[in-house]
Amino acid sequence: NAGVTQTPKFRVLKTGQSMTLLCAQDMNHEYMYWYRQDPGMGLRLIHYSVGEGTTAKGEVPDGYNVSRLKKQNFLLGLESAAPSQTSVYFCASRGAGEGIQYFGAGTRLSVL
Amino acid sequence: GQQLNQSPQSMFIQEGEDVSMNCTSSSIFNTWLWYKQEPGEGPVLLIALYKAGELTSNGRLTAQFGITRKDSFLNISASIPSDVGIYFCAGQRDSGGSNYKLTFGKGTLLTVNP
Repeated sequence: NAGVTQTPKFRVLKTGQSMTLLCAQDMNHEYMYWYRQDPGMGLRLIHYSVGEGTTAKGEVPDGYNVSRLKKQNFLLGLESAAPSQTSVYFCASRGAGEGIQYFGAGTRLSVL
Repeated sequence: GQQLNQSPQSMFIQEGEDVSMNCTSSSIFNTWLWYKQEPGEGPVLLIALYKAGELTSNGRLTAQFGITRKDSFLNISASIPSDVGIYFCAGQRDSGGSNYKLTFGKGTLLTVNP
């Protein structure tokens, strides 16, 4: 059971480039989340989805877009990367009726 | 967004010592979770708490859901080098528009000296 899988694991971008981070879960979970983790800041919610075809803004949504076209996938897009978006990005999923979120291994992104 | 107050921020202990950390909030939570994150990995769930006053163990780890529902504690007994990592608390409310989201503490960095 793979759980939550994030691709890629590492990426380096130049300022202004775009990219998409993919999150896939095989647990048939309804809810999916994207977080960023920065030193001393803990985990901050970027966007989340409560079901296929729906998305909502989290705590720090600016500069990011998301899509949930399929239940098992949640995509995070950076249209024009900025150095401030250098971070470690985590995806998580959660089943309906439970509080536990299961995390992927993270994507380490550097924007130069 | 609201953050939980997690303390201490870091701990440097000797192998075999016991460890205590806690999280407090000004708001009530209905679920408390404790996660551990090792270097280069994502957070992994250690213990989940669903009821005020609940005391739950997982091996050498014990966590408690505070009676006021505004705090939670995690204890690690007889620490070993593999306990090294960042420990996060997280709380969830079950009402209103916040019931899909977790609120996280900023983490406690634990270092264990062999």
